[in-house]
Amino acid sequence: AQRVTQPEKLLSVFKGAPVELKCNYSYSGSPELFWYVQYSRQRLQLLLRHISRESIKGFTADLNKGETSFHLKKPFAQEEDSAMYYCALTETSGSRLTFGEGTQLTVNP
Amino acid sequence: DGGITQSPKYLFRKEGQNVTLSCEQNLNHDAMYWYRQDPGQGLRLIYYSQIVNDFQKGDIAEGYSVSREKKESFPLTVTSAQKNPTAFYLCASSITAGGDTQYFGPGTRLTVL
Repeated sequence: AQRVTQPEKLLSVFKGAPVELKCNYSYSGSPELFWYVQYSRQRLQLLLRHISRESIKGFTADLNKGETSFHLKKPFAQEEDSAMYYCALTETSGSRLTFGEGTQLTVNP
Repeated sequence: DGGITQSPKYLFRKEGQNVTLSCEQNLNHDAMYWYRQDPGQGLRLIYYSQIVNDFQKGDIAEGYSVSREKKESFPLTVTSAQKNPTAFYLCASSITAGGDTQYFGPGTRLTVL
């Protein structure tokens, strides 16, 4: 069965510092990986997906199949990045997403 | 925002009562989903529907029921069999099931008194 693990429930950094939110997965096939974000008082929304290879709001994530990881990174954190971040996985041509437990990121001034 | 709506925002029910949460979308999406969000547990899938008149159980379907009679609507009933129903419930939709971006509603917070 597919599984997504986010080892850090809480992560706190200072403004301007680099930030990395960890995501590890277990799945035997070829997964598609996503990061969703929920800002305070806003809806959960897609941040980025690995197949797009985009940088959204300065965030990037690289799929490492060898380490089965999809860590989210940003070189210089901003206060507006404070939010709950969820990593999610679906199998290629799959029918559902599996979410991790989430990481609450706080960026301090 | 908009496109996918959930009502009510807050819902209170007494133990032993069934309650139905509404989810409507006007995005013309085929797939719809219900999740339960609890602190420290992420989003857990309750039920999902890939197309109208069809739905499948997710990881925590016990004590819940759904219907998908219309493309736009995917109501969730929390029955009295659900042992711990107090939670935040999120509805989502996507163009098709699986890898498409899911769009989420604002959520309904259910409290059992």
